[in-house]
Amino acid sequence: EDQVTQSPEALRLQEGESSSLNCSYTVSGLRGLFWYRQDPGKGPEFLFTLYSAGEEKEKERLKATLTKKESFLHITAPKPEDSATYLCAVRGMDSNYQLIWGAGTKLIIKP
Amino acid sequence: DAGVIQSPRHEVTEMGQEVTLRCKPISGHNSLFWYRQTMMRGLELLIYFNNNVPIDDSGMPEDRFSAKMPNASFSTLKIQPSEPRDSAVYFCASSPRSYSYNEQFFGPGTRLTVL
Repeated sequence: EDQVTQSPEALRLQEGESSSLNCSYTVSGLRGLFWYRQDPGKGPEFLFTLYSAGEEKEKERLKATLTKKESFLHITAPKPEDSATYLCAVRGMDSNYQLIWGAGTKLIIKP
Repeated sequence: DAGVIQSPRHEVTEMGQEVTLRCKPISGHNSLFWYRQTMMRGLELLIYFNNNVPIDDSGMPEDRFSAKMPNASFSTLKIQPSEPRDSAVYFCASSPRSYSYNEQFFGPGTRLTVL
């Protein structure tokens, strides 16, 4: 069964303290792994798509990496405005459209 | 460019009443998704439309839920009759390609409270 597990559930960091969020997945052939950011009271906002192991993508203080079993979202020198819930989702070979979503990691950056 | 538009943003209703949620996808997108988000179950796909045609409604909880997409720029999700367990945030998302190999763009959501 396709599955996505995100850890930790919540992470509190001081401003400037770098860390990583984890997304472990089990899927029958990966067609894509997606990272989204969700602010309170808003819809998920697309960040990155990764398609194959070894791929990396960056955007400002965020960098996403992918292996055959997991993805990491590295956040470097975070600022309070990076506080949000970060969601991971995967699409497997069995579906042309269905995304399997993780429960998310709530990130809090304290000034 | 305007993103996905949803209305209303908040809806409070009493059990047994009919609720209609509305969505306008991004112009030119031909895939549309309705999701429900709760603390307990996270994001759940309710129904997927491709080129205005419902492709997969297996996520619709029961017959009380129905969705339509009469044209490329409008979709509705209806709950009749509503129940307290339907309380959740409902999101509409659209994608620029059929079968959505790529990212989905979400609307701001409708927070539904059924008393």
